[in-house]
Amino acid sequence: DGGITQSPKYLFRKEGQNVTLSCEQNLNHDAMYWYRQDPGQGLRLIYYSQIVNDFQKGDIAEGYSVSREKKESFPLTVTSAQKNPTAFYLCASTRGNGYTFGSGTRLTVV
Amino acid sequence: DQQVKQNSPSLSVQEGRISILNCDYTNSMFDYFLWYKKYPAEGPTFLISISSIKDKNEDGRFTVFLNKSAKHLSLHIVPSQPGDSAVYFCAASRRAGGTSYGKLTFGQGTILTVHP
Repeated sequence: DGGITQSPKYLFRKEGQNVTLSCEQNLNHDAMYWYRQDPGQGLRLIYYSQIVNDFQKGDIAEGYSVSREKKESFPLTVTSAQKNPTAFYLCASTRGNGYTFGSGTRLTVV
Repeated sequence: DQQVKQNSPSLSVQEGRISILNCDYTNSMFDYFLWYKKYPAEGPTFLISISSIKDKNEDGRFTVFLNKSAKHLSLHIVPSQPGDSAVYFCAASRRAGGTSYGKLTFGQGTILTVHP
């Protein structure tokens, strides 16, 4: 079955460390997105990519980085510059006929 | 700048009654609106959408209404069921080129609780 796979489901990071969240899709979707969910703030867009080797900053890109070397993959790196990284991270993709979301990664800074 | 707002953080409804979830937007360039349902620790799942050329779209128990002049949309669930208890997000986009979805802008979400 086609879908989006996010891994890991839970991730713990020490302060000062970079960490990379994986997002893989086998839907042949062109566009991929990273959102962050915080309580009471809904989903906020971090980065998005509409084609391979191209990506754009979203509303809260500071402290994050991405790459899009393959159509299927859109990993998100949470760097030590991100001051408040503890959140639920969601990856999504679309080919223009609806968004599909992954099941999310809960990142906790310890 | 919150371009999509859901001003009710929570809503409690009796089973069998109607649930009405509201959403307001400020960006007049938005032309496509969606509702998503989300359970804790899971990704959102698509419920229903509406284009700005319509004012109503219906799918089973779910109906979305769009009032462009008021920049307001609402989701009606009739009849409400306990399994509908979840967080509901409205989202808006501006289609790029008229054929594909642009990036989605989400509201803060409304927690719906349906009591048996």
